[in-house]
Amino acid sequence: QQQVKQSPQSLIVQKGGISIINCAYENTAFDYFPWYQQFPGKGPALLIAIRPDVSEKKEGRFTISFNKSAKQFSLHIMDSQPGDSATYFCAATLYNQGGKLIFGQGTELSVKP
Amino acid sequence: DTGVSQNPRHKITKRGQNVTFRCDPISEHNRLYWYRQTLGQGPEFLTYFQNEAQLEKSRLLSDRFSAERPKGSFSTLEIQRTEQGDSAMYLCASSRQGRATEAFFGQGTRLTVV
Repeated sequence: QQQVKQSPQSLIVQKGGISIINCAYENTAFDYFPWYQQFPGKGPALLIAIRPDVSEKKEGRFTISFNKSAKQFSLHIMDSQPGDSATYFCAATLYNQGGKLIFGQGTELSVKP
Repeated sequence: DTGVSQNPRHKITKRGQNVTFRCDPISEHNRLYWYRQTLGQGPEFLTYFQNEAQLEKSRLLSDRFSAERPKGSFSTLEIQRTEQGDSAMYLCASSRQGRATEAFFGQGTRLTVV
């Protein structure tokens, strides 16, 4: 059962533009939503995360927007740079029950110079 | 380097052979997770340990798969009688209890079954 759906599958953005990746989840018990960045040949690296008691979290150029009623959350990358080109995964978990991560399918981001 | 370490990085094996992967977590992390990632997909949870206890196993983990974490330190994942469908990246992650979802991943072991 696919519990986290991610879109788009791939995204091309010009340097300096805004990259937006969307995720939707099904299990309303999820209470922690991280985003991971993965470069080819590397493991995923935690980028930013949010809990559902806030609607937005910003860290540098990266912002998570969270809509609990719609069961959706998104990642915004402001002033996108070629070095941001990577695959991005959203995930969800139950914070206090083991921390098993349920990942979305991933978005391959390409930032053109 | 004090991150999560996985060995080997790459493994090519013939169908039917057994393979074993090793994961060394960050030293103070008592939780250790194994995930499998196929091309173009997100990682899928396989199993996790808290210290030496294996607390959850996914239905993806068939009888041919076994994982251990003796003494609550490093972990091994063994696949017996490998099949071509086992070809994937096997990722290990670790975290501290109490901050369980801040998981740090290793670089993975790429398995190719020919």
